[in-house]
Amino acid sequence: GAVVSQHPSRVICKSGTSVKIECRSLDFQATTMFWYRQFPKKSLMLMATSNEGSKATYEQGVEKDKFLINHASLTLSTLTVTSAHPEDSSFYICSARGALGYTFGSGTRLTVV
Amino acid sequence: QKEVEQNSGPLSVPEGAIASLNCTYSDRGSQSFFWYRQYSGKSPELIMFIYSNGDKEDGRFTAQLNKASQYVSLLIRDSQPSDSATYLCAVRRGGGSNYKLTFGKGTLLTVNP
Repeated sequence: GAVVSQHPSRVICKSGTSVKIECRSLDFQATTMFWYRQFPKKSLMLMATSNEGSKATYEQGVEKDKFLINHASLTLSTLTVTSAHPEDSSFYICSARGALGYTFGSGTRLTVV
Repeated sequence: QKEVEQNSGPLSVPEGAIASLNCTYSDRGSQSFFWYRQYSGKSPELIMFIYSNGDKEDGRFTAQLNKASQYVSLLIRDSQPSDSATYLCAVRRGGGSNYKLTFGKGTLLTVNP
């Protein structure tokens, strides 16, 4: 149990375009999901906490208008990177909190060219 | 002072040896402690969690928590080359609806055959 599906696993986009990343809890309901970003050889940095049916809570320094988060159901949260730039290239990982604790998605490698 | 600190390593041990990974945290209100393993290019996977002072064993892994010293460790017995990865310590401050985890930078472990 406690499987989190994240896709796409890898995406390359042009600078200025938007990219949507989906995170689904497959066999449990997740009232809270988290979005992280990880740069090479660095640790996970929490970007925002997403609660079903309410606005996401962003960490300091994270632009909420650039990183749009929607958590419309108990099993789906999406992160949209708007007007992506090369410096947004990173590994984005979601995590869902369920009864068994925190389960991570497989991550999305975003490359902005 | 960083919230969660880990020695970045690399920590190198021979196959079959005990690997000892350490983590300190600054927030005395922290109540839950997690160890994750992350292979290069992959998302973290939970090894174990601990809430109470003392030791908690799960197979070859033992987590140790000392809240007075604000210290948590992970011992890996009979280390295998497949244990080579980055180990992330994560801490959750308890209470209310604050479920977010704070991660350390991770310790890179290399197990040599």
